[in-house]
Amino acid sequence: QLQLQESGPGLVKPSETLSLTCNVSGASIINTLFYWGWIRQPPGKGLEWIGTIYYSGNTFYNPSLQSRVTVAVDTSRNQFSLKLTSVTAADTAMYYCARRTDTTTALGGFDHWGQGTLVTVSS
Amino acid sequence: SYEVTQPPSVSVSPGQTASISCSGDDLGDKYTCWYQHKPGQSPVLVIYQDTKRPSGIPERFSGSNSGNTATLTISGTQTMDEADYYCQAWDSGTVVFGGGTKLTVL
Repeated sequence: QLQLQESGPGLVKPSETLSLTCNVSGASIINTLFYWGWIRQPPGKGLEWIGTIYYSGNTFYNPSLQSRVTVAVDTSRNQFSLKLTSVTAADTAMYYCARRTDTTTALGGFDHWGQGTLVTVSS
Repeated sequence: SYEVTQPPSVSVSPGQTASISCSGDDLGDKYTCWYQHKPGQSPVLVIYQDTKRPSGIPERFSGSNSGNTATLTISGTQTMDEADYYCQAWDSGTVVFGGGTKLTVL
């Protein structure tokens, strides 16, 4: 059974770097139909896509965050990670990792999500 | 950048049909997904590739996409369907979420 688990500090100081890891169990991160993504939800607001990575390392980022975001994959540990630099209070949010499953003919959806981890940016 | 727009709220009586719209330029030319998100839980994919239901999603959930509008339809709405619903589309490899629609069942 596929499980995704986010981990990382729950409190980050302004101007510092937010770092999270998503551990994947129950499925290999190396699969031609899977993409791995980060999505966040600030308190009281909607979902915001941050970025997506393929096992080969190919990445796609939200243009509004691209200058501050790095998503990386570690296939040996079956996990992927998120780094967000120069954080402000506006980056306070529940952060989710998720798997997108495509079909051989078209893009799919994020069909498995982690439980989410709340990250607060505050001094 | 590409944007999709949802109504902030929709209300429906139990047993009736709820329709939630998602609008964007030529949205019908893109694949859309829909997610159900309940408080304290992780989002759940209910529709992908415009019309397909993942395993385990009840048949009362259906989707369509044509022109500039995608629609999530819930037939015979149940109280357990009360949640926030988000549409999602792709634009040039990037993921775009709508602002979400709060579905109230009363």
